[in-house]
Amino acid sequence: GQQLNQSPQSMFIQEGEDVSMNCTSSSIFNTWLWYKQDPGEGPVLLIALYKAGELTSNGRLTAQFGITRKDSFLNISASIPSDVGIYFCAGLPTSGTYKYIFGTGTRLKVLA
Amino acid sequence: DTEVTQTPKHLVMGMTNKKSLKCEQHMGHRAMYWYKQKAKKPPELMFVYSYEKLSINESVPSRFSPECPNSSLLNLHLHALQPEDSALYLCASSGSVGSYEQYFGPGTRLTVT
Repeated sequence: GQQLNQSPQSMFIQEGEDVSMNCTSSSIFNTWLWYKQDPGEGPVLLIALYKAGELTSNGRLTAQFGITRKDSFLNISASIPSDVGIYFCAGLPTSGTYKYIFGTGTRLKVLA
Repeated sequence: DTEVTQTPKHLVMGMTNKKSLKCEQHMGHRAMYWYKQKAKKPPELMFVYSYEKLSINESVPSRFSPECPNSSLLNLHLHALQPEDSALYLCASSGSVGSYEQYFGPGTRLTVT
């Protein structure tokens, strides 16, 4: 099925560094969601975005809904070891549908 | 409360067995989902129920049979599965007034032997 392009695919960073990842599509989306998933667990919703240009924070996490409505960005500031995991974006293409499109995931590893 | 619960946590079944996965949410959500997830891959949509009616079936084999007994419950009946069906099965719900946030349960780790 359709997937969103998410980059980078994986990254190793030092503890304390800031992290950026993004999700892009050729189609317009009305809602963007960002999730974190630990091994063997379900994805946990981090941030939801509903308007183009919207910038929303959740603790050290900040996400933005791209102006073109075709992309979204997630930043993690001052990373810590527990930030390790896979981050997925998910987009909802049009209003009235419940079918979310998922990104390919960014695997984050933090080196202490 | 944003909790979606799933049982069992782990399930091992033979190819001739019949088993069921269960999911429950009490957030008043209108849509409930089943996803299948393989290691290091994003969740793959299987079924969507909207207002207790099946609205999306992503061409899933008939050995997987979903059921939505009421607005809070979602089941996935399994029969004659194949080893390649081994995966993490995730339930999710979404859709309350003014919100399209989707919440996942912890998943059921299914192993088919």
